[in-house]
Amino acid sequence: EVVMTQSPATLSVSPGERATLSCRASQSVSTKLAWYQQKPGQPPRLLIYGASTRATGIPARFSGGGSGTEFTLTISSLQSEDFAVYFCQHYNNWPPTFGQGTKVEIK
Amino acid sequence: QLQLQESGPGLVKPSETLSLTCTVSGGSIISSTFYWGWIRQPPGKGLEWIGNIYSSGSTYYNPSLTSRVTISLDTSKNLFSLKLTSVTAADTAVYYCASNYGVAVIVGLYWGQGTLVNVPS
Repeated sequence: EVVMTQSPATLSVSPGERATLSCRASQSVSTKLAWYQQKPGQPPRLLIYGASTRATGIPARFSGGGSGTEFTLTISSLQSEDFAVYFCQHYNNWPPTFGQGTKVEIK
Repeated sequence: QLQLQESGPGLVKPSETLSLTCTVSGGSIISSTFYWGWIRQPPGKGLEWIGNIYSSGSTYYNPSLTSRVTISLDTSKNLFSLKLTSVTAADTAVYYCASNYGVAVIVGLYWGQGTLVNVPS
């Protein structure tokens, strides 16, 4: 199976600042990559799929990029509600697998 | 708006079978394009895709669990189910049902709230 590796494990950012999260796949997944946000006690929320397509209702401050094995999620100006854990997930083949997550915390 | 709701026991004894159901509202599970699936998350850890089922009855299971897992549909009740046999403490997790209803890619667009299943060691 494809191993997804996220970095950093924790990212400390001040509100209003830009955050860039990374996700690396152990083999090419083309652009079949999704990003999720998860807050404590809640299920994940889909932010991005197709590496760069925002899901319905997701604010424009969230953007995704990359292809092949290297991907990024950028939050252009962090709002208080954005502090959470973020997961990447590939769906290029079976089984889909997730990264271990990046926690974005308040600096 | 599609809604999913898991139900089932919160405590399962080791070696027994974990059984959960996911009731779907706001959409039909006989929609041919979309999957109905299960994903789990051990406390404080990452996510693991357990498997999917389609309205045709086709199933796809994670190879790490395929010998123990069964996902099935109940079209009369608009729900789908998960059975995981021979559970151990390693199966303790929040179990989510999910669907990509509305998008043609294998992502979790809709999720249930999740149900914690504890398997004591």
